[in-house]
Amino acid sequence: QKEVEQNSGPLSVPEGAIASLNCTYSDRGSQSFFWYRQYSGKSPELIMFIYSNGDKEDGRFTAQLNKASQYVSLLIRDSQPSDSATYLCAVNGEDSSYKLIFGSGTRLLVRP
Amino acid sequence: NAGVTQTPKFRILKIGQSMTLQCTQDMNHNYMYWYRQDPGMGLKLIYYSVGAGITDKGEVPNGYNVSRSTTEDFPLRLELAAPSQTSVYFCASRQGYGYTFGSGTRLTVV
Repeated sequence: QKEVEQNSGPLSVPEGAIASLNCTYSDRGSQSFFWYRQYSGKSPELIMFIYSNGDKEDGRFTAQLNKASQYVSLLIRDSQPSDSATYLCAVNGEDSSYKLIFGSGTRLLVRP
Repeated sequence: NAGVTQTPKFRILKIGQSMTLQCTQDMNHNYMYWYRQDPGMGLKLIYYSVGAGITDKGEVPNGYNVSRSTTEDFPLRLELAAPSQTSVYFCASRQGYGYTFGSGTRLTVV
C-alpha cells in the first residue's frame, strides 16, 4: 500500500514568518511530487510541483525534495493570513496512469 | 473554456437509492479521475480513465461504477447508496504535471 504521510496540524505561525510543511512517502519509485492548497469547502489548487532532488522556488513558495530520505517539504515565506488553508502533498508513481496519491493534509493557520 | 464542470453541487440521497455524478471537461484531456474526500482526510482515488473507452479501479472502487464513452465526459455512478458514501466527490483531469479539479459534489446519504 503506497502511502503519503503528513502531520495534520494545525500548524500555527505569525504573519510574516516562514511556514514549513512536511511530507514523507513510502514508494521509492515515485517520480513527481505536488503541493496543493485547499481552502475550506473548495477544491484543491496546485501550488508547486517538483521532480528533481533539491529546491524549487516560485515566489514565496519553495518546494524541497530529498528522494533518498523520501521526503518533500513546502516552505512559505512571509506567511499571510490568506495562506491559511489545508496543504495537501501528493505523489505520482511510476506507471503511465499519472495517478496521484494524496496525504491527509496539514492545516496551516497564519495569525495576524 | 470552463475547465472541469461537476454537477450537482449538493445532493441528499436515501439509503438504497442510486445516482450519477456528472463530470465534463472541455480541455480535450485524456486522463480523468474521480476522488472522494471524507472530512479531515485527503483524497482517495475511486476510478480513473486514460482515454475514451478505458477505465480502471483506484483505491476505493467498491459501490461505484464509471464509464467513458467520450473524451469530455466521465460520469460516476453510485448504486445502492450507503451512509459510508457520504463524502465530497471531486473529478479531475490531468493538465501537464498537475490536475485540474472540478468544484466538487457534496453527497449525503441518509
